[in-house]
Amino acid sequence: DSGVTQTPKHLITATGQRVTLRCSPRSGDLSVYWYQQSLDQGLQFLIQYYNGEERAKGNILERFSAQQFPDLHSELNLSSLELGDSALYFCASSLGGEPLHFGNGTRLTVT
Amino acid sequence: AQSVTQLGSHVSVSEGALVLLRCNYSSSVPPYLFWYVQYPNQGLQLLLKYTSAATLVKGINGFEAEFKKSETSFHLTKPSAHMSDAAEYFCAVSEANDYKLSFGAGTTVTVRA
Repeated sequence: DSGVTQTPKHLITATGQRVTLRCSPRSGDLSVYWYQQSLDQGLQFLIQYYNGEERAKGNILERFSAQQFPDLHSELNLSSLELGDSALYFCASSLGGEPLHFGNGTRLTVT
Repeated sequence: AQSVTQLGSHVSVSEGALVLLRCNYSSSVPPYLFWYVQYPNQGLQLLLKYTSAATLVKGINGFEAEFKKSETSFHLTKPSAHMSDAAEYFCAVSEANDYKLSFGAGTTVTVRA
């Protein structure tokens, strides 16, 4: 058990909709990372937060946004969903270096 | 920008045989290099990392990797495969102290009894 909790495990929604994915980092970790894993694009880094502040941005679309709250949990918001957004979204956490502890992911299916 | 190429999307080995997974990187600055493992229906787990100290890095579960600057490689090895090693393995690179990892496409390892 990595100690990282992601909810929900599965999400099925329609094109054009908006969803929120939630991540609770491992206890004591200050950094949260979001990744997208899909068959065609592989693992893509989306964004990193450290202690509530955005630290690094990767290949995150403008339709996507994230935040980290004072209790250190994080949410990834995906809006105006397209079929191509169907993927596994991982959250990872660490004290501050490389992502160490990964959750089991949220599988998003856009129909 | 940095990137990694994993040679071979699938590797099949016999139990007890050597496991060798190949990774070549491209980076304009000194890189940090990582190997992660992903078991079915789980998130990734860090196996080992290179951060400019010793070029031979030992990780968990008996895995090790050697950083070879002249070959821009960071291949992962394990002397004797175990059935529990069946998983997908990802090589990743980042610039030093910048943990925006770029992942390879992954190599799936199957272990034959």
